Amino acid sequence: GENVEQHPSTLSVQEGDSAVIKCTYSDSASNYFPWYKQELGKGPQLIIDIRSNVGEKKDQRIAVTLNKTAKHFSLHITETQPEDSAVYFCAASPNTGTASKLTFGTGTRLQVTL
Amino acid sequence: KAGVTQTPRYLIKTRGQQVTLSCSPISGHRSVSWYQQTPGQGLQFLFEYFSETQRNKGNFPGRFSGRQFSNSRSEMNVSTLELGDSALYLCASSPEGGSRGYTFGSGTRLTVV
Repeated sequence: GENVEQHPSTLSVQEGDSAVIKCTYSDSASNYFPWYKQELGKGPQLIIDIRSNVGEKKDQRIAVTLNKTAKHFSLHITETQPEDSAVYFCAASPNTGTASKLTFGTGTRLQVTL
Repeated sequence: KAGVTQTPRYLIKTRGQQVTLSCSPISGHRSVSWYQQTPGQGLQFLFEYFSETQRNKGNFPGRFSGRQFSNSRSEMNVSTLELGDSALYLCASSPEGGSRGYTFGSGTRLTVV
């Protein structure tokens, strides 16, 4: 089955700096790669996703890049703010009809300090 | 528009008991998936229901089961609870099934003592 590795497990940046979180996946059939943000006491919230026919996607301060050849994808957050502090999860999924489950990375705890 | 609602938010049960958790998806969403989140194992897929049928199942023992009703609401049941079942159980709904467009609820925190 799919295996997703995520690094780093913790990341501390100063407000205004950029943060980068990296993930690798093992199953070449995976073609959907979402990123989730989870705040304390809440469920994961989808912040951005990318499909395998796209190499990069950007939404304001958040961007995701995908390298299918190397089987890795990354989340980039620019101009970080204290409210970006949370746990971030990457995930991968094939889209082959009923094979719809997400395999998640182990999470990155991002701390944005003033 | 209302989000995904999970009840109860917190639950304490004793080993050997059984428990039922409930999930109401976003109106119009036909697919409900369940995930278990623990510090040690992270987020793991339990099962997905679409139009009252289980469409996909993760690698959990048969003590974990679920169902979906005609209004798309879903329940999951865990029988013969073990200490290791203590976790946050998350439900996610999506419009047409599949993992795209998931909206997660806030979860049910189950503690087994």
